[in-house]
Amino acid sequence: AQTVTQSQPEMSVQEAETVTLSCTYDTSENNYYLFWYKQPPSRQMILVIRQEAYKQQNATENRFSVNFQKAAKSFSLKISDSQLGDTAMYFCAFTQNAGGTSYGKLTFGQGTILTVHP
Amino acid sequence: DSGVTQTPKHLITATGQRVTLRCSPRSGDLSVYWYQQSLDQGLQFLIQYYNGEERAKGNILERFSAQQFPDLHSELNLSSLELGDSALYFCASSEAGSSYNEQFFGPGTRLTVL
Repeated sequence: AQTVTQSQPEMSVQEAETVTLSCTYDTSENNYYLFWYKQPPSRQMILVIRQEAYKQQNATENRFSVNFQKAAKSFSLKISDSQLGDTAMYFCAFTQNAGGTSYGKLTFGQGTILTVHP
Repeated sequence: DSGVTQTPKHLITATGQRVTLRCSPRSGDLSVYWYQQSLDQGLQFLIQYYNGEERAKGNILERFSAQQFPDLHSELNLSSLELGDSALYFCASSEAGSSYNEQFFGPGTRLTVL
């Protein structure tokens, strides 16, 4: 069974600074996807960034980037130039690559509450 | 707006009762997933339907059941409710054949069991 672990229950950062959220996972699969989801106080789940396990290049989406270390089964999220709107719970998630049938439950970590201070 | 709708937004009921949560996926999405978010269990996968058929099951209690209808909307039925069933229930949908398996989440239904 796959497991996802986020060891930082809470993090804080000053506005405009950089913060890194940690995530490790355990799987015996070789093909899979990793995601970071953001859950602001509204409770809406918003996809921040995704990474395919077969790609060595780290994914980047504007101020968000990941450090994907497949051998170490590590998938950290770096937020640059933090903004007040980044305050949220962040979840790391894992799913198998199920191909064309698009089945693939998400397994989530426990979440990290990030607070951005002005 | 993800394009996934869930009704109702809030539901307050008593122990022992039965409720139905409804989800309409994004247009064209064939897969529907149900997740439960609670303080003690975190975010957990419950069940997935693909084009009307059950595809995968997670930590779903026997008191819970779901189905996906021909128009692709889905319902999650929770019966003999207990205090511990109080949680935020999310529905998510994904496009069949999507290589990213990206799931789009609805706004959730907040269930409170008193």
